[in-house]
Amino acid sequence: EAQVTQNPRYLITVTGKKLTVTCSQNMNHEYMSWYRQDPGLGLRQIYYSMNVEVTDKGDVPEGYKVSRKEKRNFPLILESPSPNQTSLYFCASSLSLAVTETQYFGPGTRLLVL
Amino acid sequence: RKEVEQDPGPFNVPEGATVAFNCTYSNSASQSFFWYRQDCRKEPKLLMSVYSSGNEDGRFTAQLNRASQYISLLIRDSKLSDSATYLCVVTSSGSGNTPLVFGKGTRLSVIA
Repeated sequence: EAQVTQNPRYLITVTGKKLTVTCSQNMNHEYMSWYRQDPGLGLRQIYYSMNVEVTDKGDVPEGYKVSRKEKRNFPLILESPSPNQTSLYFCASSLSLAVTETQYFGPGTRLLVL
Repeated sequence: RKEVEQDPGPFNVPEGATVAFNCTYSNSASQSFFWYRQDCRKEPKLLMSVYSSGNEDGRFTAQLNRASQYISLLIRDSKLSDSATYLCVVTSSGSGNTPLVFGKGTRLSVIA
């Protein structure tokens, strides 16, 4: 089944404790991205990647890191999480950024930073 | 001016009603446009792309007005299952822009 998977789905952590949220897609997609969704603010892009070893900042990259060593994986790293990073995170992928490409989203990761 | 703006709603409509959402975008260089649907606590899913000539998929009709820089979504004969948040998505181009910009969404509640 074609899908985007994220792990973990739910995470409670404490300020300053490094964490990684994994994202994997099995559709051979080139484009992958991370979003956070907060009430009243909608979906905001954190980082995106056009292909392996190519990553770019989105609208809200501060406090996050990503890597794209393989085409299928695009982990999101919070080196020192803070409470303002409490949010719902979505990973998404598409074949490319061509006009007609659909974005496929993972199921989301709910993060609470205490 | 925000890049993509939507009326947040909520729109509360009875079953069978026709409801329309609008979305305005600020970047005249935007190239493609989509409507996504997001159910509560779930991931967004593509509802339909929006083409210059307008397009229809069953009870859903999407239209694009490049001159006025807005897109619309019309839902006819609303069903209870249409209750969701509808996200307007625009692809942008040019330096300094993220490739995809999402509106904050319009919430629809269809009531029996």
